[in-house]
Amino acid sequence: AQTVTQSQPEMSVQEAETVTLSCTYDTSENNYYLFWYKQPPSRQMILVIRQEAYKQQNATENRFSVNFQKAAKSFSLKISDSQLGDTAMYFCAFMKQANSKLTFGKGITLSVRP
Amino acid sequence: NAGVTQTPKFQVLKTGQSMTLQCAQDMNHEYMSWYRQDPGMGLRLIHYSVGAGITDQGEVPNGYNVSRSTTEDFPLRLLSAAPSQTSVYFCASSYRGLAYNEQFFGPGTRLTVL
Repeated sequence: AQTVTQSQPEMSVQEAETVTLSCTYDTSENNYYLFWYKQPPSRQMILVIRQEAYKQQNATENRFSVNFQKAAKSFSLKISDSQLGDTAMYFCAFMKQANSKLTFGKGITLSVRP
Repeated sequence: NAGVTQTPKFQVLKTGQSMTLQCAQDMNHEYMSWYRQDPGMGLRLIHYSVGAGITDQGEVPNGYNVSRSTTEDFPLRLLSAAPSQTSVYFCASSYRGLAYNEQFFGPGTRLTVL
């Protein structure tokens, strides 16, 4: 079974600065998908970024980028130029094969200070 | 497109009562699933379905029943509610196939069992 670990329960960052959220996972699979989801106070789950394990290049979406270390089973999210709207809970998630079950970490609460 | 809709948004039950959480999608997605979110636990998979007439258990299926008679609907039934089922429930859906397709989440239902 796959496990996803987010060991930091909460973090805080000053507006316009950069913050990195950590995630580690455990799997015996070679091909899989990793995700970061954002959950603002509205409770809606929003996909932030996706990484396919077979791709060596780290995924980037505007101010969001990942550091994917497959051998170390590490998948961190970097948020650059933090904005007040980034305040939310962030979940790291694993998917063994396309379009199947998601396994989530416990989440981290990120607060962006003005 | 309405996307993934869930009703009700909020519900309070007494222990032992039964109810059905509704989930519907208008995107013709084959894959649908139910998650529950508890503080400090992330989202955990309850049941999922890969198409009409096909359902399977996830990580925490006890106390919940599902059926999938149509592609559009995937209701979650609580036959005899317990306080341990107090949670926020999310429904999600996606296309199937070998290539990755994004899972779309509904807005969630907050359930309190007294």
